[in-house]
Amino acid sequence: EVKLLESGGGLVQPGGSLRLSCEASGFSFSSYAMNWVRQAPGKGLEWVSTINSIGGIREFYGDSVKGRFTISRDNSKSTLYLQMNSLTGEDTGVYYCAKRGNGYYEFDSWGQGTLVTVSS
Amino acid sequence: SYVLTQPPSVSVAPGKTARITCGGDNIGRQSVHWYQQRPGQAPILIIYYNSDRPSGIPERFSGSNSGRTATLTIGRVEAGDEADYYCQVYTDHVVFGGGTKLTVL
Repeated sequence: EVKLLESGGGLVQPGGSLRLSCEASGFSFSSYAMNWVRQAPGKGLEWVSTINSIGGIREFYGDSVKGRFTISRDNSKSTLYLQMNSLTGEDTGVYYCAKRGNGYYEFDSWGQGTLVTVSS
Repeated sequence: SYVLTQPPSVSVAPGKTARITCGGDNIGRQSVHWYQQRPGQAPILIIYYNSDRPSGIPERFSGSNSGRTATLTIGRVEAGDEADYYCQVYTDHVVFGGGTKLTVL
């Protein structure tokens, strides 16, 4: 059974930083692209970032986070990360870790999410 | 950038059929995926590649895609189907629709 467990969320002041983690189990982590998707309170889903499983251009970012967020992975620990810098109130929301499936950019497994609140 | 348009809300009586649309330029040429998100829960994939169902998803859920509209159809709607539904495609990046709240009357 695929399991994705996010952690690292919390309250941070505007301009601050936070690092999210997603511990994966139940599948060959290194073989799959991994993603972060967020959801602002009462709003819809927003893709944040993707990291591929193998070479070439590996990291991709949504326009709203480009230059501020960095996605990375440690395949030896089956863990996905999201380093978030220069946070603003618009970054507030639940951050989900999602595994890409074997098809065409569908997300076949999701974690339960971790809440990030940016406020003074 | 590519935009997916969903109706904000759809209402249906129990036992009837619900149809949720997802509009986009030439969306018929895209692979459309659908997610269900019940209140307070994470999304789950219910349709991928326009019309395929992951294991464990009831046959009541089906999808189609042609022209400018993709459609998620839920047959014999149950109270437990009340949720938000999102369509998603990949163009040069991942795009989600704005979501549709399904209300079971």
